[in-house]
Amino acid sequence: NAGVTQTPKFRVLKTGQSMTLLCAQDMNHEYMYWYRQDPGMGLRLIHYSVGEGTTAKGEVPDGYNVSRLKKQNFLLGLESAAPSQTSVYFCAAGLAGTDTQYFGPGTRLTVL
Amino acid sequence: GQQLNQSPQSMFIQEGEDVSMNCTSSSIFNTWLWYKQDPGEGPVLLIALYKAGELTSNGRLTAQFGITRKDSFLNISASIPSDVGIYFCAGRPMDSNYQLIWGAGTKLIIKP
Repeated sequence: NAGVTQTPKFRVLKTGQSMTLLCAQDMNHEYMYWYRQDPGMGLRLIHYSVGEGTTAKGEVPDGYNVSRLKKQNFLLGLESAAPSQTSVYFCAAGLAGTDTQYFGPGTRLTVL
Repeated sequence: GQQLNQSPQSMFIQEGEDVSMNCTSSSIFNTWLWYKQDPGEGPVLLIALYKAGELTSNGRLTAQFGITRKDSFLNISASIPSDVGIYFCAGRPMDSNYQLIWGAGTKLIIKP
């Protein structure tokens, strides 16, 4: 039982490149979230999903897209990376009807 | 957007000391959560609070949901070296169904 896993752990991109971050959970949780964490700030919600096939914008969605084709996977895409997207990205999963969220280990992304 | 004010930003403690930190909001929250994050890892849930006035313990940790529903407190008794890390509060505002708002964190450091 791995909980929430994220791939890759580290990535360096050049400005304008694209990439996809993968989040997988084996807890059968309905809700999944993508956050970014920047120094000295709390987590900020990028996008979230309350079920397979549904996604919604969070606080800072610009420059990101997401897809939830399978219940256990939540993908975060950057179509054209910018230096402002240098951050640590966390995925989380949670049971429907609850507010508790369980986090993956994070992906550290640097955009040059 | 809504913000949480988490204080203090950092604390230097000696082993064995008790620790207190808090989060305040300008609006009413339905849920308060406390997480701990170790370097290079994702946040780990410590305590979840769902009712105004609720007091919940998890070992040496005790958290309370403020009766005004605009604040929450976390206390750690008899601190030990493994308590070092960053503690985050998070809450779900009354007008939100799924999104949590996060504090900026309290960094706990052990004095040598």
